[in-house]
Amino acid sequence: DAGVTQSPTHLIKTRGQQVTLRCSPKSGHDTVSWYQQALGQGPQFIFQYYEEEERQRGNFPDRFSGHQFPNYSSELNVNALLLGDSALYLCASSLGQGRWGYTFGSGTRLTVV
Amino acid sequence: AQSVTQLGSHVSVSEGALVLLRCNYSSSVPPYLFWYVQYPNQGLQLLLKYTSAATLVKGINGFEAEFKKSETSFHLTKPSAHMSDAAEYFCAVSDRETSGSRLTFGEGTQLTVNP
Repeated sequence: DAGVTQSPTHLIKTRGQQVTLRCSPKSGHDTVSWYQQALGQGPQFIFQYYEEEERQRGNFPDRFSGHQFPNYSSELNVNALLLGDSALYLCASSLGQGRWGYTFGSGTRLTVV
Repeated sequence: AQSVTQLGSHVSVSEGALVLLRCNYSSSVPPYLFWYVQYPNQGLQLLLKYTSAATLVKGINGFEAEFKKSETSFHLTKPSAHMSDAAEYFCAVSDRETSGSRLTFGEGTQLTVNP
């Protein structure tokens, strides 16, 4: 049984560009949350998708947007990349919006140069 | 707003010694509490969680944590450290009353195990 799958694993982008990160949730899970983990810090909540809608959002600018597809997979899009967007982006999936816990993927390491 | 404070960004123990990683939380309602471990260049793995059953929670790899409401603490312990326990540990809290509750993480504690 596959866990949470994220792609790509590593990515290098130039400041000002746009990036799309992808996440496939664990089998049986219907909710996807995205977290940003800067170097040496704890993960910070970006947003959560359930039933193809954004249900909650953390303190992140509108440059960060997402989407959830009918098969529950999700994308995170970041526009107008800044150097400060360099981080590990973690996807977490859950059943029923996380009441029973979250399963994390291994993350996408984004470097903005 | 919920928050988590992990006391000690770095903890160093000898192999075989007791591991104690401290976590205090702030929440206006009884929370769910979690401990996650992160190995280098990897995602987060759940060690254990507290969801209002027994206050002493046993997790994987010999770790356990005790929920103490009076102290607003959820410290993580392991009786005997192993070299493979070297990693970063994160305490997290979520609001049990809110459907779709996000996880709020502490800053993490880097555990070093010395031979």
